[in-house]
Amino acid sequence: GQSLEQPSEVTAVEGAIVQINCTYQTSGFYGLSWYQQHDGGAPTFLSYNALDGLEETGRFSSFLSRSDSYGYLLLQELQMKDSASYFCAVRYGGATNKLIFGTGTLLAVQP
Amino acid sequence: GAVVSQHPSWVICKSGTSVKIECRSLDFQATTMFWYRQFPKQSLMLMATSNEGSKATYEQGVEKDKFLINHASLTLSTLTVTSAHPEDSSFYICSASQGSYSPLHFGNGTRLTVT
Repeated sequence: GQSLEQPSEVTAVEGAIVQINCTYQTSGFYGLSWYQQHDGGAPTFLSYNALDGLEETGRFSSFLSRSDSYGYLLLQELQMKDSASYFCAVRYGGATNKLIFGTGTLLAVQP
Repeated sequence: GAVVSQHPSWVICKSGTSVKIECRSLDFQATTMFWYRQFPKQSLMLMATSNEGSKATYEQGVEKDKFLINHASLTLSTLTVTSAHPEDSSFYICSASQGSYSPLHFGNGTRLTVT
């Protein structure tokens, strides 16, 4: 089977740094993406790693280790608006861009 | 750029009726679109891949006769939930990308409630 595991909930305070981990087991792997979803809204794209290492996009960074089937999303200088669900997603369909999503992590940012 | 529009945003229907959901790529052409389903506080589950000009590809366990997908143009895919039942109540989200190696962009979703 295919699975992507994430912590279910994370709580942090404004201004802090938080890391959301993702471990995956999939039949194919062409890259790891991260999406943010506010309650009732659409998922929005945050970051993508096709190769090992760190990708930085503003306050958000994402890391991938293909040998460990592991990645994480790092959020810095947390703001209240960052309270949302975060999903990792593995692209496993090659050219078809099919994604399988992780279990999701609910991030609560407190003042 | 890369805007995906989904309509309606919410719909309430009676058991046994059918509901059509539209997904449009507004500023790009999408030969492939994807339909996801999400139950409250759960992850997104891929239902099917919509292919322009050909049959959709359904994921294991998804009934193709219940969830009819039509992708008649490069900017429009539709999902029809046929003979809806209360257990079909869910959040349905479509997605598309500008190319095979571009990020997926999602519509705002359709919240379906079957009474």
